[in-house]
Amino acid sequence: EIVMTQSPTTLSVSPGERATLSCRADQSVTSNLAWYQQKPGQAPRLLIYGASTRATGIPARFSGGGYGTEFTLTISSLQSEDFAVYHCQQYNDWPLTFGGGTKVAIK
Amino acid sequence: EVQLVESGGGLVQPGGSLRLSCAASGFTFTDYWMTWVRHTPGKGLEWLASIKRDGGEKKYADSVKGRFSISRDNARNSLYLHMNSLRAEDTAVYYCATGPFYFEYWGQGVLVTVSS
Repeated sequence: EIVMTQSPTTLSVSPGERATLSCRADQSVTSNLAWYQQKPGQAPRLLIYGASTRATGIPARFSGGGYGTEFTLTISSLQSEDFAVYHCQQYNDWPLTFGGGTKVAIK
Repeated sequence: EVQLVESGGGLVQPGGSLRLSCAASGFTFTDYWMTWVRHTPGKGLEWLASIKRDGGEKKYADSVKGRFSISRDNARNSLYLHMNSLRAEDTAVYYCATGPFYFEYWGQGVLVTVSS
């Protein structure tokens, strides 16, 4: 199976600052990569698919990049509602696999 | 409005069985593959199983293959997860979601606790 590794585990950021999250695959997933946001007690919300395409209704401050094995999710200016856990997920091959998550916390 | 509502969770003893249901509304159910994903604080999100639009193709994670079975009833707009031989490590919040690859719509989740 494809192993997805996210870093850092926790990212402490001040509101208004930029946050960059990383996701690495142990083999190429081409652009078959999605990002989700999850808040406590809530279901995940799809942010990005195809490595860089924003899902419906996702603000432009969220952007995704990368190809192959290295991916990033950037939040250009953190809002209070953005503090959450972010998960990456590959869908290039079965079994579908998720990274361990990055918690974006208030600094 | 798309709605996915899971039910059927609860407390079950190790070795026991449980059937989760997911009632879908607000979209054409037969247009979508459907998927079960679970979440634990320790392991994060884990894909479990997906089923094709007509139920003719199913995919499973190795961790549940042979113990869990995914099915759907398109006449009732419903998705199911039959879980057998449950273990403590199956304790999690279980979500149904649309899609075979990435997951656009999710239910609110249902808690399954496996404990004696």
